[in-house]
Amino acid sequence: DIQMTQSPSSLSASVGDRVTISCRASQSITNYLNWYQQKPGKAPKLLIYAASSLQSGVPSRFSGSGSGTDFTLTISSLQPEDFATYYCQQSYSTPWTFGLGTKVEIK
Amino acid sequence: EVQLVQSGAEVKKPGESLRISCKGSGYSFTSYWITWVRQMPGKGLEWMGRIDPSDSYTSYSPSFQGHVTISADESISTAYLQWSSLKASDTAMYYCARRSSGIYYDYWGQGTLVTVSS
Repeated sequence: DIQMTQSPSSLSASVGDRVTISCRASQSITNYLNWYQQKPGKAPKLLIYAASSLQSGVPSRFSGSGSGTDFTLTISSLQPEDFATYYCQQSYSTPWTFGLGTKVEIK
Repeated sequence: EVQLVQSGAEVKKPGESLRISCKGSGYSFTSYWITWVRQMPGKGLEWMGRIDPSDSYTSYSPSFQGHVTISADESISTAYLQWSSLKASDTAMYYCARRSSGIYYDYWGQGTLVTVSS
């Protein structure tokens, strides 16, 4: 299985801050990398697919970059509703493994 | 409107069997794979396996192979996840998700909480 390593596991930031979350794959996955947001008690929600494509309806403050093994999710200006846990997921090969998540807390 | 609606919460004893469901609507059910994802309390997301409803071909994570069975009934646009003998460690929230025409999950069910306790 491909292992997905996210960092940090948690962070605390202020409204308006720029936030960056990293995700590393244990082997090259080209651009088969997706990002999901999960709020407490809710199902995950797709934010970014194919490493850098913004899902319809997702605010433009979210962006993704990277290829190969190293990827980044950036929130350009953190909003109160962005309090959530963020997961990366590879869709290069079955099983489509997830990272362990990054919990974003608002200061 | 595309929707995946899952069956309700379950409380079971160890050793009991269980089947939970995920009903798709608003789209052609046989055109999109359904995946099941486990989330243990306070933990992350785990890919369990998936089914192609058009031919019922399944693929499982090695971590779940042999312990769960994924099936589908295209006539009622419903996918299933079942256990023949539950363990306490199966206590978790289970989500179904639709694989889009791309390679990501664009719609998710609301989740089914399974609690296994003696």
